[in-house]
Amino acid sequence: QSALTQPASVSGSPGQSITISCTGTSSDVGYYNYVSWYQQHPGKAPKLLIYDVSNRPSGVSTRFSGSKSGNTASLTISGLQTEDEADYYCSSYTTSSTSVFGTGTKVTVL
Amino acid sequence: QLQLQESGPGLVKPSETLSLTCTVSGGSVSSRNYYWGWIRQPPGKGLEWIGSFYYSESTHYNASLKSRVTISADTSKNQFTLRLSSVTAADTAVYYCARTGTKLWAVGEGKYYYYYYMDVWGKGTTVTVS
Repeated sequence: QSALTQPASVSGSPGQSITISCTGTSSDVGYYNYVSWYQQHPGKAPKLLIYDVSNRPSGVSTRFSGSKSGNTASLTISGLQTEDEADYYCSSYTTSSTSVFGTGTKVTVL
Repeated sequence: QLQLQESGPGLVKPSETLSLTCTVSGGSVSSRNYYWGWIRQPPGKGLEWIGSFYYSESTHYNASLKSRVTISADTSKNQFTLRLSSVTAADTAVYYCARTGTKLWAVGEGKYYYYYYMDVWGKGTTVTVS
């Protein structure tokens, strides 16, 4: 099971919107709507941001939104804030009954 | 409030077996509603899903680690364990335990709903193979 593909880095200015892509295959992202997104600050455990493609857990800012088209899922951060500077990972359930993470994206707030 | 805590040796010798325990509080590893599992992160690298289990019915592992990995539960202690054999320096990482999925029975609909995401994580424990 190969890792899902994400851009290594994305940057934006405060207040802007950015989008992170997550490309998989027809055996994971393209097959199920079980795509989730995680935010990880340095030295911390990942935090769930989005589940089932576009659902936010209670307490997660509405500035985070998710979508999917075919084999590619996307996370959009609107109204970028300094505290959004972190690493972001997507994940998908697979047809092998396993899960796989994306390669990770470092978000920089300029 | 559900909390998970990893524990185990921070240093393991090459070719030996890494063994870590995740202690669950505020929830039960024997619940038929949840999946539990392990994720790791080598220094400076991304997350890697290791494997997960559901109740006593099923266990699934990352294909690249399958020959070396065992995840099991000790329901009497409300813990679950990761064992990774024949370790090398490449197994040096922060290891996280997490709740990795949910299975809910919808009584009115007569079917199960499944959710496969990691919503509760431990703080992680660093394991060095040297």
